[in-house]
Amino acid sequence: KQEVTQIPAALSVPEGENLVLNCSFTDSAIYNLQWFRQDPGKGLTSLLLIQSSQREQTSGRLNASLDKSSGRSTLYIAASQPGDSATYLCAAPNRDDKIIFGKGTRLHILP
Amino acid sequence: KAGVTQTPRYLIKTRGQQVTLSCSPISGHRSVSWYQQTPGQGLQFLFEYFSETQRNKGNFPGRFSGRQFSNSRSEMNVSTLELGDSALYLCASSLSGTDYNEQFFGPGTRLTVL
Repeated sequence: KQEVTQIPAALSVPEGENLVLNCSFTDSAIYNLQWFRQDPGKGLTSLLLIQSSQREQTSGRLNASLDKSSGRSTLYIAASQPGDSATYLCAAPNRDDKIIFGKGTRLHILP
Repeated sequence: KAGVTQTPRYLIKTRGQQVTLSCSPISGHRSVSWYQQTPGQGLQFLFEYFSETQRNKGNFPGRFSGRQFSNSRSEMNVSTLELGDSALYLCASSLSGTDYNEQFFGPGTRLTVL
């Protein structure tokens, strides 16, 4: 049974710093992993999708990596900005194709 | 290209009532998944529809049901509402819902049960 964990639950970082968000999963037989951003009371915005054959994906200041052997993915945010403040969720499928979400990391960028 | 739309955006119901939520996927997407999000449990998978057939189902009671129409639009119904059904209900669409397909979410429907 797939379990997805995100630690820490909350993080505050001064503006301009680089930061890393962590996601771990228990079943490494995944075909992809997706990172999302959620603003308060809103839906989810897809940030990056990493296929199982890839080790990383980049989009602007965001870089996501995937290490299936260790059951870990990281989301790197470069030169953080106050607009990056949001909850970041990762999601991975389990063996019967249900998507399992982590509880998210609530990120606060301090101006 | 229009994104995923959900209606209504907000709903207030009382215990025992029933509710129907609607989701229109991105044009060309054939898979629609539904999720319930609460502060305590996070995002939990409800069910997925593809080509008008339920292809996958989460661990929710039978009071939660759904359907998909030939134009891929989907509805979710909750009968005999309970206080614990208060949540943000999100739907997501993808091309086919299988490997390699990115999920795109709608803004959600906020359901409050009094």
